[in-house]
Amino acid sequence: AQKITQTQPGMFVQEKEAVTLDCTYDTSDQSYGLFWYKQPSSGEMIFLIYQGSYDEQNATEGRYSLNFQKARKSANLVISASQLGDSAMYFCAMREGPSGGSNYKLTFGKGTLLTVNP
Amino acid sequence: GAVVSQHPSWVICKSGTSVKIECRSLDFQATTMFWYRQFPKQSLMLMATSNEGSKATYEQGVEKDKFLINHASLTLSTLTVTSAHPEDSSFYICSARETGNVQPQHFGDGTRLSIL
Repeated sequence: AQKITQTQPGMFVQEKEAVTLDCTYDTSDQSYGLFWYKQPSSGEMIFLIYQGSYDEQNATEGRYSLNFQKARKSANLVISASQLGDSAMYFCAMREGPSGGSNYKLTFGKGTLLTVNP
Repeated sequence: GAVVSQHPSWVICKSGTSVKIECRSLDFQATTMFWYRQFPKQSLMLMATSNEGSKATYEQGVEKDKFLINHASLTLSTLTVTSAHPEDSSFYICSARETGNVQPQHFGDGTRLSIL
């Protein structure tokens, strides 16, 4: 079974509107971390937001927020007030095990290509 | 913020040559660095985990003799694609984890490798 599932290959949103990118995960670990990265066409990976499995509050970073529903094993990314520069590939990723542990591997989903229309 | 520099950003070479890609953490020490491979319109696939002063840990299916990894210092890891062939053409990207820091991995800008 896939550890990270992103069911939306592509998404379109109008400029200034909000958009939600879906991510579900599969792990038997109690301690884990969830990440969202943005990859523009130039290729670099830009870290957006992080949610720890024990964090009670949903993470927020500026226009980005993570809708963490632990029981459903979902970690959707919400981008508010979309901008043209938000057009990019978005990857959800998971680290299994505690953050202070020796295993820091990330498993990535297949990504969602977001296009922001003017 | 933490910066990871990857060099070169683009390389084109003939089949059979070896290509070395460098990954440097510029303003922090990285005990662990990671090498990923990404095919067009696909996700990042972890190739190996590079630990300073020890042998790299390769993921299943990755040829150790094909993709040589050296992590000689706390700020530099190198990936050498030996005797490269057209099927090795891909986007290679490294990331680094700051020693003692639980913050996310910082990624380099990637290297586009084209083997003719």
